[in-house]
Amino acid sequence: EAQVTQNPRYLITVTGKKLTVTCSQNMNHEYMSWYRQDPGLGLRQIYYSMNVEVTDKGDVPEGYKVSRKEKRNFPLILESPSPNQTSLYFCASSLEPGLALIGELFFGEGSRLTVL
Amino acid sequence: EDKVVQSPLSLVVHEGDTVTLNCSYEVTNFRSLLWYKQEKKAPTFLFMLTSSGIEKKSGRLSSILDNKELFSILNITATQTGDSAVYLCAVEDRHYGGATNKLIFGTGTLLAVQP
Repeated sequence: EAQVTQNPRYLITVTGKKLTVTCSQNMNHEYMSWYRQDPGLGLRQIYYSMNVEVTDKGDVPEGYKVSRKEKRNFPLILESPSPNQTSLYFCASSLEPGLALIGELFFGEGSRLTVL
Repeated sequence: EDKVVQSPLSLVVHEGDTVTLNCSYEVTNFRSLLWYKQEKKAPTFLFMLTSSGIEKKSGRLSSILDNKELFSILNITATQTGDSAVYLCAVEDRHYGGATNKLIFGTGTLLAVQP
């Protein structure tokens, strides 16, 4: 089954304790992206990746890191989480990168993160 | 500043009603507009619109784009309780200087369909 898989789905952590949210897709998509969703603010892009070893900042990259060592995986790293990073996080992927249309995004199930 | 505005913010209807959700946008270089449905989990794709005036239809859902007046509508006829969700609109903007286009999401319309 074609899917985007995120883990963990729920996490409660404390300020400053490094964490990683994993994202994996099995559709051989080149484009992958991380979003956070907050009430009243909609989905905002954190980072995206065009392909292996190619990543770029989205609208709200502060406090986050990403890597793309393999095509299928795009982990999101919070080196020193703070309470303002409490949010619902979505990983998404798409077949069409570059200046062609991004097109349909396939989303993971979401990871709800609470930073105390 | 690029923006996507959806209205209404929320809507309560009864089963069988027809609803119209609105999405207006201001972006630098429009490429496409997408509609997603979000229940209590991941958004799922509904439509992608690139050409003005051409209706896209899937069952009881339909959508059309007006890229002169810079808006799109999503219609749902004969609503059912299973249509209850947040409906998200996103606009793809050509991102000069960046490696790819940019997707800008609206904050969504919460639709509640009562039996």
